Order: sequence, then structure tokens, then C-alpha cells
Amino acid sequence: NAGVTQTPKFRILKIGQSMTLQCTQDMNHNYMYWYRQDPGMGLKLIYYSVGAGITDKGEVPNGYNVSRSTTEDFPLRLELAAPSQTSVYFCASSWRTVTDTQYFGPGTRLTVL
Amino acid sequence: EDQVTQSPEALRLQEGESSSLNCSYTVSGLRGLFWYRQDPGKGPEFLFTLYSAGEEKEKERLKATLTKKESFLHITAPKPEDSATYLCAVGETSGSRLTFGEGTQLTVNP
Repeated sequence: NAGVTQTPKFRILKIGQSMTLQCTQDMNHNYMYWYRQDPGMGLKLIYYSVGAGITDKGEVPNGYNVSRSTTEDFPLRLELAAPSQTSVYFCASSWRTVTDTQYFGPGTRLTVL
Repeated sequence: EDQVTQSPEALRLQEGESSSLNCSYTVSGLRGLFWYRQDPGKGPEFLFTLYSAGEEKEKERLKATLTKKESFLHITAPKPEDSATYLCAVGETSGSRLTFGEGTQLTVNP
């Protein structure tokens, strides 16, 4: 099992550009999550999904969009990049509920200039 | 609102010098308390889940304990490879997400 994989590992965007962060899991988990982690800060939940076709907002959803068309994939879309979105983004998954053990991907480091 | 506070923010130990990390939490009903380890440039790696006060779990040099207000991660005779940031998170019985603390950055010098 590869677990949770994320692409790309690094990306530099200009203000106003758009991009999609990809996340795939091969553990057949129902729940998937997107977090951001700023230096010295805890993980903040952006969006989560409880299954294909179902998504919901987390703590900090503004400026982001998600979709979940399959169990395996949960892409995160940034439409108009802003410097405040400079962060490290982590995707995670868990089996049945949000308080089951969450397994994290390796992260995407995004810089918006 | 759920709150999680970790202390200290940073801790430097000599190899073999045992110590403890603290995670204080406030939730209306605890569903689970999680400890993760995070190495620089990597995603968090799951260590333990604790569900009720009095519960303890061990893994190698690490031991996690839980009371009604806090959890401790005890590190016995640490080695340099234990250097990492340790994250604590709590899940509430009626909540839809985990709340993470800001982490404790542990450095173990040889």
C-alpha cells in the first residue's frame, strides 16, 4: 500500500494564479481531509469529505474548493492564489469517522508570490 | 469550542535524559486523544490513540497517559532519532473534526 500520496511536492504560484493539489489514497477509506500548516502552528482543517460526492467545510475554507468523485481521490483547488495561502498542505484519510486514526500524506509546500 | 494547548513549545534533552511533554485539552465530551510525530518536511505519523481517563499506551521509549484534562507523552532514555515535533489532537463526541495543538519540538542531543 502506498497509503496517502500527494502531488506536487513543491509549487510556486504568482498572485491570482490557480492550481489543483492532488491527493489519492489506496486504503479504501471513506473519510478524507485537507489541512494547512503554517510555521509554528497546528494543523487547520480546510475541507473534509465523508464519501464520494459529499464534502463539507472545515475551519478555514475561504479561497479553496474541493470535489470528491471517487473514493480514492480528493483534489483541492485554489482559484485565485493569495500570499496568505502560502503554507504546507496535508491530505489525510481515515476509515469510518473523523475520530478514527487519520493517515497523512507527505505534504505540498506552496509559496504564493 | 475545543481547545488544545501543548507545552513546552520546544524541549532540548541530552541523550538518555527522560522527560515529558504535556497536552492540555478542553472538550465537552472526549471521543479520542491522538499523538502524532512529525519529522521536518514530512506528514504527521500516528503514534497513539487514548480514549478514556486512566488509559496508558506504550511504544518503544514512548508512553502516553490520559487524565480528564490532559495527556502526557513520557520519553524514557531518548535517543537522537526521537528528535521531531510531537502533535496532540482531540476529537469531540459530537464534533466533525480533530483539533490539533501547535506541537512540541523535541531535540535530543547525542
